[in-house]
Amino acid sequence: DVKVTQSSRYLVKRTGEKVFLECVQDMDHENMFWYRQDPGLGLRLIYFSYDVKMKEKGDIPEGYSVSREKKERFSLILESASTNQTSMYLCATVRDRSSPLHFGNGTRLTVT
Amino acid sequence: AQSVTQPDIHITVSEGASLELRCNYSYGATPYLFWYVQSPGQGLQLLLKYFSGDTLVQGIKGFEAEFKRSQSSFNLRKPSVHWSDAAEYFCAVGAKEYGNKLVFGAGTILRVKS
Repeated sequence: DVKVTQSSRYLVKRTGEKVFLECVQDMDHENMFWYRQDPGLGLRLIYFSYDVKMKEKGDIPEGYSVSREKKERFSLILESASTNQTSMYLCATVRDRSSPLHFGNGTRLTVT
Repeated sequence: AQSVTQPDIHITVSEGASLELRCNYSYGATPYLFWYVQSPGQGLQLLLKYFSGDTLVQGIKGFEAEFKRSQSSFNLRKPSVHWSDAAEYFCAVGAKEYGNKLVFGAGTILRVKS
């Protein structure tokens, strides 16, 4: 069974801090995604990666960056956290387009 | 641009009643369609998916969905709802032309009253 692990379940950071959200998967999938989930807006894609060191912007990349140095690890970086980045962040991985996404349990980030 | 619309933000049904959650999409290509469920405090779980073939697909937990190309819809149904079905449901759409990206709807929160 695919396991997607997000390092923190809850995180509280101050405005202006640099924040790292980590995601690790154990199934050797090439494709990894970062979404944010907000009430009434569903899941919105921030960034995705289809291979090591490869990344593409999603629909709302502003204020975020990512790092994929190893296949199993995909990190989301908030260079300077702002209050409007308070949200639930979900990491997901998929083998190919015919397969379902596998999600982590999410990191609820609060920026004060 | 591709988009997914779930017109109902909240739906309340009685336990044992039938359920239909609506999903409409706007895509320029032949879509792949998914329904995911998120129970409170839990991650997202795949209920069912449609890629091709029979337009009526069966999923887990007694759910089914029907792809109607002419209506650009992929509505989720269940004949008899159980209290444990209370959750948030997300429709998601992808397409071969867009790689492995999925676009999600805003979600529908299902409440079940006994």
